[in-house]
Amino acid sequence: NAGVTQTPKFRILKIGQSMTLQCTQDMNHNYMYWYRQDPGMGLKLIYYSVGAGITDKGEVPNGYNVSRSTTEDFPLRLELAAPSQTSVYFCASSPLGGRLGRNQPQHFGDGTRLSIL
Amino acid sequence: QQQVKQSPQSLIVQKGGISIINCAYENTAFDYFPWYQQFPGKGPALLIAIRPDVSEKKEGRFTISFNKSAKQFSLHIMDSQPGDSATYFCAASWSGNTGKLIFGQGTTLQVKP
Repeated sequence: NAGVTQTPKFRILKIGQSMTLQCTQDMNHNYMYWYRQDPGMGLKLIYYSVGAGITDKGEVPNGYNVSRSTTEDFPLRLELAAPSQTSVYFCASSPLGGRLGRNQPQHFGDGTRLSIL
Repeated sequence: QQQVKQSPQSLIVQKGGISIINCAYENTAFDYFPWYQQFPGKGPALLIAIRPDVSEKKEGRFTISFNKSAKQFSLHIMDSQPGDSATYFCAASWSGNTGKLIFGQGTTLQVKP
């Protein structure tokens, strides 16, 4: 199993450009998440999905969009790149809760380092 | 109320010493407290996690201590090794919230040989 795979690993964008960060997982996990990591700020949730066709906003969704057409893929779209979106982006996935509906560990990809100049 | 506060921001420990990282939370609905370890250029990886029905959990050299009344939990790394040098994140979540994690700000640990 490859786990969670993110592409590209690095990208430089100009202000106003758009791009899609790709995320795919091969663990058949229902839940998928997008986080951004900024120095000294921890990880902030951008969007999440509980299954194909279902997405919802996290803590910092402005400037981003997502879609979930399959269980495996959860792409993150930046429509009009801004310098404030310079960050490291992580995708994660987790299975459904266990017998008591308790949260399960999240598995992370290795991130996309995005610079917007 | 959704915040998880982590300290210290950075930590330097001698090889063989004990590393201690602390986290505090406000939301009493949290019932899952994982710690993640992140090496440079990599994504976070689950290290150890605890639920509030126990006060301590140990896995090898890593121990979580949990104080429900104080709403605090901490990671102890015994016999710290240079290979433990990484960034550590505490997090919290609650059942039924679709697994969303609230992360602390992170602690960069350096273990000197």
